[in-house]
Amino acid sequence: DAGVTQSPTHLIKTRGQQVTLRCSPKSGHDTVSWYQQALGQGPQFIFQYYEEEERQRGNFPDRFSGHQFPNYSSELNVNALLLGDSALYLCASSLASAGTSYNSPLHFGNGTRLTVT
Amino acid sequence: GNSVTQMEGPVTLSEEAFLTINCTYTATGYPSLFWYVQYPGEGLQLLLKATKADDKGSNKGFEATYRKETTSFHLEKGSVQVSDSAVYFCALSGGSGSARQLTFGSGTQLTVLP
Repeated sequence: DAGVTQSPTHLIKTRGQQVTLRCSPKSGHDTVSWYQQALGQGPQFIFQYYEEEERQRGNFPDRFSGHQFPNYSSELNVNALLLGDSALYLCASSLASAGTSYNSPLHFGNGTRLTVT
Repeated sequence: GNSVTQMEGPVTLSEEAFLTINCTYTATGYPSLFWYVQYPGEGLQLLLKATKADDKGSNKGFEATYRKETTSFHLEKGSVQVSDSAVYFCALSGGSGSARQLTFGSGTQLTVLP
């Protein structure tokens, strides 16, 4: 049973560029959440996608956008990269019908390490 | 809004020592509480969870009790192993925020020496 897979594992971009990160959820899951984890910090919620729509959003600027496809996979796009966007980006999946994070705990991928120079 | 405060690390222990990692939270209502663990080079894995006051979550020898009166969810293990070396995150959902997203603490790095 495949877990959450993310690609690429590492990425180096230059300030001002744009980047796209990809995520495939765990088999049977239909909801994808994205988190940003800066070095030495806990993950911070970016947004969540369900039924191909953004359902919730954290305190991140519009430079961060996403998409969910009919097969439940998802992309995270970041435009106009800043040095401060350097972080580990984590994708997590869950099952919407279970309701809460308690009933359907998030399953995390190993992340994409983004470095902005 | 919701927030989680963890004891600052890093924590270094000898094998078979007793472990406590403190976690306190701020939230209205009744949030669900979680401990996640992150091994080097890997994503976060759920370690244990609790959803109401006095619930005790447990897994792999780790335990944490949901204390509403002290707004705490401290992680404990009676005898740590070298393989427990990792970063531990306390988190919550619900309360004054969404029940579908997690608010994390800053993490505590644990190193267990043989």
